[in-house]
Amino acid sequence: KAGVTQTPRYLIKTRGQQVTLSCSPISGHRSVSWYQQTPGQGLQFLFEYFSETQRNKGNFPGRFSGRQFSNSRSEMNVSTLELGDSALYLCASSSGQFEQYFGPGTRLTVT
Amino acid sequence: GESVGLHLPTLSVQEGDNSIINCAYSNSASDYFIWYKQESGKGPQFIIDIRSNMDKRQGQRVTVLLNKTVKHLSLQIAATQPGDSAVYFCAEDYGQNFVFGPGTRLSVLP
Repeated sequence: KAGVTQTPRYLIKTRGQQVTLSCSPISGHRSVSWYQQTPGQGLQFLFEYFSETQRNKGNFPGRFSGRQFSNSRSEMNVSTLELGDSALYLCASSSGQFEQYFGPGTRLTVT
Repeated sequence: GESVGLHLPTLSVQEGDNSIINCAYSNSASDYFIWYKQESGKGPQFIIDIRSNMDKRQGQRVTVLLNKTVKHLSLQIAATQPGDSAVYFCAEDYGQNFVFGPGTRLSVLP
């Protein structure tokens, strides 16, 4: 079974721009969660989607948004990028049981 | 590879020795816990989980211990190998999402 894939792996953007990251979960998994990982804050939960609906949301500003498609693939969008948004963005998929499987992440650098 | 954490607590162990990585969790109502391993340049990898109705769970070379009285979780790795070098995170099920600990860097010495 193929693992969780994320595209792109690396991205460089300028302050004020917006960015869209993509995540393809493990086949059959309907839950997709997004996390931001930084050296200072560690792993922080952004949001979770299940069957195209946002089920949970972390404590991030509205500039961070996401969606999930009928095939369970998910995208997250960050608008009006700030320097502090530079991070590794991780996607995790789950079958609905607790265990989550992470992708390799997208490294976003904002200059 | 990506830097997971610049100022993580570090545990250095000799190859072949046992490793014990500790984690304090925050919510006494959390009922599910996971240990993850993250190698440089990769996403976190599931190692082992435990539910709050258990005190101990064993996997292949790994054991997780849960002490609910003091809200403490530990991961024991037997016969530590160079491939075990990574950052280890505990995560607690915080009601509707997971909350991750800051991580511990395990360094295996030859």
